[in-house]
Amino acid sequence: EIVMTQSPATLSVSPGERATLSCRASQSVSSNLAWYQQKPGQAPRLLIYGASTRATGIPARFSGSGSGTEFTLTISSLQSEDFAVYYCQQYNNWLLYTFGQGTKLEIK
Amino acid sequence: EVQLVESGGGLVQPGGSLRLSCAASGFTFSSYWMHWVRQAPGKGLVWVSRINSDGSSTSYADSVKGRFTISRDNAKNTLYLQMNSLRAEDTAVYYCARQNINYGEVDYWGQGTLVTVSS
Repeated sequence: EIVMTQSPATLSVSPGERATLSCRASQSVSSNLAWYQQKPGQAPRLLIYGASTRATGIPARFSGSGSGTEFTLTISSLQSEDFAVYYCQQYNNWLLYTFGQGTKLEIK
Repeated sequence: EVQLVESGGGLVQPGGSLRLSCAASGFTFSSYWMHWVRQAPGKGLVWVSRINSDGSSTSYADSVKGRFTISRDNAKNTLYLQMNSLRAEDTAVYYCARQNINYGEVDYWGQGTLVTVSS
């Protein structure tokens, strides 16, 4: 099983500032990595797939980078609606998907 | 508009069974692989199971293997999750989700149905 580890567990950032979230895979997942945003009481929403491609309707302030085992989600200028929990997920192994444990992005 | 609507959740005793359903609309259901993902209260997302487009191939997380069965009825545009021998640790919101037809990521999610396993 590929283990996904996200850091930090909680990130405190002020509105308008940049947020950088990390995700590490226990073995290479190539670029088969997605990022999701989840707000309280809501289903997750796809933000990024293929490590760096924004999903339909996702603002340009969200960007993803990385390949292999190290990945980053960057939110360039935080808006109030961006404070949420973010998950990475590998889909390199179609028989067994795995998620990271999540990073909670909170207002500083 | 893609819609995934789960149903069938509720309170069940340990050792009991429950069948979840997910009604799909707004896309050609029979062309897509589908997944179940769960989230225990206050916890993170955990992948549970997936099924290919014609139902001939399935896979499961180790935690549910042998107890849960994923299936689909393409004529009814419906995905199912049969859950047997339920345990307290299976308590969670269960989400139905669609896999992108060209890639592997999950691109649409339902709103979830809550399963509570308790005596």
